[in-house]
Amino acid sequence: KAGVTQTPRYLIKTRGQQVTLSCSPISGHRSVSWYQQTPGQGLQFLFEYFSETQRNKGNFPGRFSGRQFSNSRSEMNVSTLELGDSALYLCASSWGTGEDTQYFGPGTRLTVL
Amino acid sequence: SQKIEQNSEALNIQEGKTATLTCNYTNYSPAYLQWYRQDPGRGPVFLLLIRENEKEKRKERLKVTFDTTLKQSLFHITASQPADSATYLCALDTTSGTYKYIFGTGTRLKVLA
Repeated sequence: KAGVTQTPRYLIKTRGQQVTLSCSPISGHRSVSWYQQTPGQGLQFLFEYFSETQRNKGNFPGRFSGRQFSNSRSEMNVSTLELGDSALYLCASSWGTGEDTQYFGPGTRLTVL
Repeated sequence: SQKIEQNSEALNIQEGKTATLTCNYTNYSPAYLQWYRQDPGRGPVFLLLIRENEKEKRKERLKVTFDTTLKQSLFHITASQPADSATYLCALDTTSGTYKYIFGTGTRLKVLA
């Protein structure tokens, strides 16, 4: 079965721009979670979508948003990019019920100049 | 405030020895705790899950313990091998059933041949 895929793998943007990242979960999984990983802060939870609804949200500013489509694919958007947004963005998919194992994608490496 | 701490940023051990990694948390009451492995440039990979009513869980050379009184989980790799070198992350759900996962900052394990 195909794993979680994320596109693009690498991205370079400048301050003030906006960016959209995409995540395709494992077939049948209805939950997609997004994380930001930086050397200083580690893996931080952004939000989780389940059946097209945002079910949980982390402590990130409103510049970070997301959505999920009916096929469970998810997108994450960051507007008005700041230098501090440079990070590895990971998505993880799961069944979304109970004590799930999360399956992570390879991540999108975003660099903001 | 709520915190998850993994005992050390880096741990070096000799091949064949047992590696013990620690995950401590405060102000959470997780229903379960998970351990993941992350290799450089890749997303985390699930290893083990232990529930709050379980004291110990094993899988091949891996063993996890969970002490809800001490608010601590220990992760052991017995007969360690250089291929076990990676960063190990613990993760827990902040409150049972919310599907909002918090990760520790990780311990970078290096097994020396």
